[in-house]
Amino acid sequence: QSALAQPASVSGSPGQSITISCSGSSSDVGAYNYVSWYQQHPGEGPKLIIYDVTKRPSGVSHRFSGSKSGNTASLTISGLQAEDEADYYCSSWTSTSLYVFGTGTQVTVL
Amino acid sequence: EVQLVQSGPEVKKPGESLKISCKDSGFTFTSYWIAWVRQMPGKGLEWMGIIYPGDSETRYSPPFQGQVTISADKSISTAYLYWSSLKASDNGMYYCVRESASSNWFDLWGQGTRVTVSS
Repeated sequence: QSALAQPASVSGSPGQSITISCSGSSSDVGAYNYVSWYQQHPGEGPKLIIYDVTKRPSGVSHRFSGSKSGNTASLTISGLQAEDEADYYCSSWTSTSLYVFGTGTQVTVL
Repeated sequence: EVQLVQSGPEVKKPGESLKISCKDSGFTFTSYWIAWVRQMPGKGLEWMGIIYPGDSETRYSPPFQGQVTISADKSISTAYLYWSSLKASDNGMYYCVRESASSNWFDLWGQGTRVTVSS
């Protein structure tokens, strides 16, 4: 099972919006609405920020939103803030009843 | 408080065996799938495998099949990750994570166990 493809890095200025893509296949991202996103700050464990493609857990900022088109899912961060600087990973359930993570994206706030 | 509490950091030599643990607190351990995730130094997350402590059904990601053993003891609400012979490439942080009861995502993460393998 190959890792889902994410851009290595994305950057933006405070207040801007950025989008991180997560490209998979018809056996994972494209097959199910089971894409989730995790945020990881340096030295910390990951934290769930989006699940089931578009849903936000309680307590997660509304500035985070998710979407999917075909075999590619996306995470958009609106109104970028300094605290959003972190690594972001997508994950998907797969047709082999396993999970796969994305390669990870480092977000830099300029 | 609902949490997963992992065992402490380990320093081992190549060829040694190791079992790290993940204990639940505050939820019905046998009703959830528990997965293990590797993060090598400076690298991304890798999904290793998952176990259902209720009946010990286990699934492995192909790269990790035969390399590690995932188990659980439901009587003490603890999941384990075991290596019979460590390699330098096993260096990393290992997280246990709980799969949501309602869908396919991970809603609870342990604090991580750092494994260092060095001669």
